[in-house]
Amino acid sequence: QVQLMQSGAEVKKPGSSVKVSCKSSGGDFRFYAFNWVRQAPGQGLEWVAGIIPRFGTTNYAAKFRDRLTMTADESTNSVYMDLNSLKSEDTAVYFCAKADIATPGTFDYWGQGTVVTVSS
Amino acid sequence: DIQMTQSPSSLSASVGDRVTITCRASHNIGTSLNWYRQKPGKAPDLLIHDTSSLQGGAASRFSGSGSGTNFTLTISNLQSEDFATYYCQQSYTTLPWTFGQGTTVEIK
Repeated sequence: QVQLMQSGAEVKKPGSSVKVSCKSSGGDFRFYAFNWVRQAPGQGLEWVAGIIPRFGTTNYAAKFRDRLTMTADESTNSVYMDLNSLKSEDTAVYFCAKADIATPGTFDYWGQGTVVTVSS
Repeated sequence: DIQMTQSPSSLSASVGDRVTITCRASHNIGTSLNWYRQKPGKAPDLLIHDTSSLQGGAASRFSGSGSGTNFTLTISNLQSEDFATYYCQQSYTTLPWTFGQGTTVEIK
């Protein structure tokens, strides 16, 4: 049984950066893809970025491409999302979601979510 | 980007009812369509993958059908834990992965 444990809530100022972590346990990290999906207050789900640690490949939604970096650390079975130049519109719950490499767009396990609040 | 449109946006139903939610894709996505249920304050759960395959652990009252651009999720014998928001999502080869806007199932 895979479990994804995310870091805690963050409160940030506009223009600053935030780094959110997601640690995977159970299963074999080498065969997984990981994604970040966000949900603004009262809104739907939005795919943000994805990574396949085994291949070192990352993909980003176009709107985040210039200010988001997603990384992975295979030694700790963790993935990270680093979002800079924060705006109030980035206030959301950020979910880490796992997929199998063979089906990278099917998210079968999710973390508990990390609330990121951007406010002056 | 492939746009996903769900209908209705919300519906009211009673325990024991049969409920159908539809999802339309802006391009042909074959059968690369997933359904998730999200309870308030929780992360989504995968219910159905590849249009009609029930995810392990999901209840058999959930079923999916469709292909190309038109898809449906059916919940037979609605239970109290099914009052939630449902999202379709395309997992076709073309990034970005995109979700429908959600359908909220409320208690009548």
